[in-house]
Amino acid sequence: GESVGLHLPTLSVQEGDNSIINCAYSNSASDYFIWYKQESGKGPQFIIDIRSNMDKRQGQRVTVLLNKTVKHLSLQIAATQPGDSAVYFCAERSRNYGGSQGNLIFGKGTKLSVKP
Amino acid sequence: SAVISQKPSRDICQRGTSLTIQCQVDSQVTMMFWYRQQPGQSLTLIATANQGSEATYESGFVIDKFPISRPNLTFSTLTVSNMSPEDSSIYLCSVDTGTYEQYFGPGTRLTVT
Repeated sequence: GESVGLHLPTLSVQEGDNSIINCAYSNSASDYFIWYKQESGKGPQFIIDIRSNMDKRQGQRVTVLLNKTVKHLSLQIAATQPGDSAVYFCAERSRNYGGSQGNLIFGKGTKLSVKP
Repeated sequence: SAVISQKPSRDICQRGTSLTIQCQVDSQVTMMFWYRQQPGQSLTLIATANQGSEATYESGFVIDKFPISRPNLTFSTLTVSNMSPEDSSIYLCSVDTGTYEQYFGPGTRLTVT
């Protein structure tokens, strides 16, 4: 969903269910994508990344899917736990965007709430 | 990965004053960045802190307001100058380890009254 200022889109799931968080990115030249988890009062924590030459990457309980045709990124969390409750941000990097490796552009974020 | 610390973790400041935020990394890194995160919102890049040269600022951010130092490969400071309530935000230091991955510090929560 699209953020409306201070009101982040919220996804509420039951503990043990799978979660899917979606992100639309803006730059077709972006070649690298990261998902971050941010708990209240903390800095963003790196979860998983994917390069544009891949369409799927799996980590521990998390999977990232990349659809370059529609510029869409998703994060799947298996067997969601209360500790997964946080705000999740996607970020993209374009090799055309300044610096030797480019800078990250962040999406608006989705708040994941896990019900015990 | 990299372990990043920031000082102070939070502060409440009077308008018109300045605050300097420190960022320390446990290993040498090429790229260091400063971000701002306003309440309930996403992260916005302020500038890239370049070692041995002037920082590179993003559109909407200027050196007079946000002077940055980068004296070596493990340390940087961001100063928020002549503060107003609109500067109330979380300020985050970030590093690129050179392997594509980018890591963040815990942030400095600034409130300007």
